[in-house]
Amino acid sequence: DGGITQSPKYLFRKEGQNVTLSCEQNLNHDAMYWYRQDPGQGLRLIYYSQIVNDFQKGDIAEGYSVSREKKESFPLTVTSAQKNPTAFYLCASVLAGTGVFSVTEAFFGQGTRLTVV
Amino acid sequence: AQKVTQAQTEISVVEKEDVTLDCVYETRDTTYYLFWYKQPPSGELVFLIRRNSFDEQNEISGRYSWNFQKSTSSFNFTITASQVVDSAVYFCALSVPYSGAGSYQLTFGKGTKLSVIP
Repeated sequence: DGGITQSPKYLFRKEGQNVTLSCEQNLNHDAMYWYRQDPGQGLRLIYYSQIVNDFQKGDIAEGYSVSREKKESFPLTVTSAQKNPTAFYLCASVLAGTGVFSVTEAFFGQGTRLTVV
Repeated sequence: AQKVTQAQTEISVVEKEDVTLDCVYETRDTTYYLFWYKQPPSGELVFLIRRNSFDEQNEISGRYSWNFQKSTSSFNFTITASQVVDSAVYFCALSVPYSGAGSYQLTFGKGTKLSVIP
């Protein structure tokens, strides 16, 4: 079945440690996104990538890094510079066509809950 | 800049009651898309509906219905005869496609937590 897979589902990080969240999709989607969700805050965009080897900062990119070496994969690294990383992280992908009427809905993974211990 | 406001943080209803979730959006663009997503306790966002700015027809899908009004910049969501399984957080989202790129960013509201009590 096609979809987006995030792993792990739960992740614990020690202070000062970098951790990487995995996001893989087999939908052949061009664009991929990382969102952070905090209670009462909705979803906030961290990074997004429209094509392989290219990505852009979102609204809250500080303390995070990404790579897009393959179309299927968009891993997110939470670095030690991120002072408050405890949150729920969601990855999404979109089939980006050409023209304004080609927009489709975003598909989301099941999320990774990161906790600093 | 785009903005989505879901003024209702939490709503509780008794099973079988109807409930409307409000969504008000702001954008200067004339072409845009509106979405509703459901987030059950498992965490994954489930797509419910997409509507583009040129289509103001209301839509009904089973117990769900959506009322899109450009005049008031609102895209409200009604659940008729609510059920316990409807308990979730519901997000309204706005997308403005980039010119010529066919790609977009989603701007989400803060969500409305719906609790349906048996």
